[in-house]
Amino acid sequence: DAGITQSPRHKVTETGTPVTLRCHQTENHRYMYWYRQDPGHGLRLIHYSYGVKDTDKGEVSDGYSVSRSKTEDFLLTLESATSSQTSVYFCATKSGTVNEKLFFGSGTQLSVL
Amino acid sequence: GENVEQHPSTLSVQEGDSAVIKCTYSDSASNYFPWYKQELGKGPQLIIDIRSNVGEKKDQRIAVTLNKTAKHFSLHITETQPEDSAVYFCAASSSGNAGNMLTFGGGTRLMVKP
Repeated sequence: DAGITQSPRHKVTETGTPVTLRCHQTENHRYMYWYRQDPGHGLRLIHYSYGVKDTDKGEVSDGYSVSRSKTEDFLLTLESATSSQTSVYFCATKSGTVNEKLFFGSGTQLSVL
Repeated sequence: GENVEQHPSTLSVQEGDSAVIKCTYSDSASNYFPWYKQELGKGPQLIIDIRSNVGEKKDQRIAVTLNKTAKHFSLHITETQPEDSAVYFCAASSSGNAGNMLTFGGGTRLMVKP
């Protein structure tokens, strides 16, 4: 895989607690994305970044925030986790050329109890 | 925004048979249509893609067809093997969208029975 590491791989947390998921890439890709995967919904875009400190909202951004202070790191924060945010979260990267291949990390399974 | 519908949600075939997965999209500006395969416990991986100036593309046992007029595209897998068992996602995007975002279909779980 294209040098994408997600951490943690699994996390169980309680409703109302903040949670931060980390995506680290070694490919120097410009674009980074956070998706969530839920049965029947495929992959839905939460937030994306098109450069350091340049981020924007995706389709399902409510309750999530992101930060990108370095090219290689893209953080996803759930400010106050809810049970509806129980999901598998995937980070993906792309080099920057239009319509180029997306590379995915291995995912983080998050359970909010 | 773009909306991608994918059918069927599950598909079971006998080893050696063909499998077809179909997707429709809503945005006429979409011009890039990739397919991703996700094996258990892993992230999706690109297996084939097609651009709007092409009607069909093949790569060994995998082919994708595109009908821009009808706004649908399909994945064809011939001579299926047990290792083809996975979840498959179609997606669409347009070169004009900020962030080069892909919109994914809901996924198809393909099971190939030996």
